[in-house]
Amino acid sequence: EPEVTQTPSHQVTQMGQEVILRCVPISNHLYFYWYRQILGQKVEFLVSFYNNEISEKSEIFDDQFSVERPDGSNFTLKIRSTKLEDSAMYFCASIQDRVQETQYFGPGTRLLVL
Amino acid sequence: GDSVTQMEGPVTLSEEAFLTINCTYTATGYPSLFWYVQYPGEGLQLLLKATKADDKGSNKGFEATYRKETTSFHLEKGSVQVSDSAVYFCASDPLIQGAQKLVFGQGTRLTINP
Repeated sequence: EPEVTQTPSHQVTQMGQEVILRCVPISNHLYFYWYRQILGQKVEFLVSFYNNEISEKSEIFDDQFSVERPDGSNFTLKIRSTKLEDSAMYFCASIQDRVQETQYFGPGTRLLVL
Repeated sequence: GDSVTQMEGPVTLSEEAFLTINCTYTATGYPSLFWYVQYPGEGLQLLLKATKADDKGSNKGFEATYRKETTSFHLEKGSVQVSDSAVYFCASDPLIQGAQKLVFGQGTRLTINP
């Protein structure tokens, strides 16, 4: 069964450093998402992406965050200057189309900012 | 805006007990509803879903019925197993044009003792 993959599984970085989290969505999917889950808290929506542009973003997704689909397979989340409070599990998700509805999630990247 | 509320956890049961995890939602329209499960150390997996009122989603012995009159989507299982120990998330998809995101509840940690 096709699945969403994410790399790395864990990343430790120093405050102020840039990080790029990578995702490979399911190949025929058209809508892509990033969510995050701070330890012990709700899963929160960050951003949705369709047709090479952001379709919606939350208030969490400020100027420090950006997303990109640099080629036909990868979908990346960049945090330009990490803060301690960016420590969380970051999940990528994708869906084929709006009719299909079900979002398929990757296993997540656990980011720790020191 | 749309929101999802789950019963507070953690929930601890003995094997073969009956499980109910309550979930209620608020929505301006008619969302699709989902239950996701997160096993220890893993990402989010879709457990079941329902897309309209009175639909029943089911999978692996779990069931949930979309109740518009009570705005609820409670998760039930008749006889739980140790392997069901996980965190369970209720979620809604508003299905509003441009609002392509899942809204999650806070998660309920379930522990099943042998």
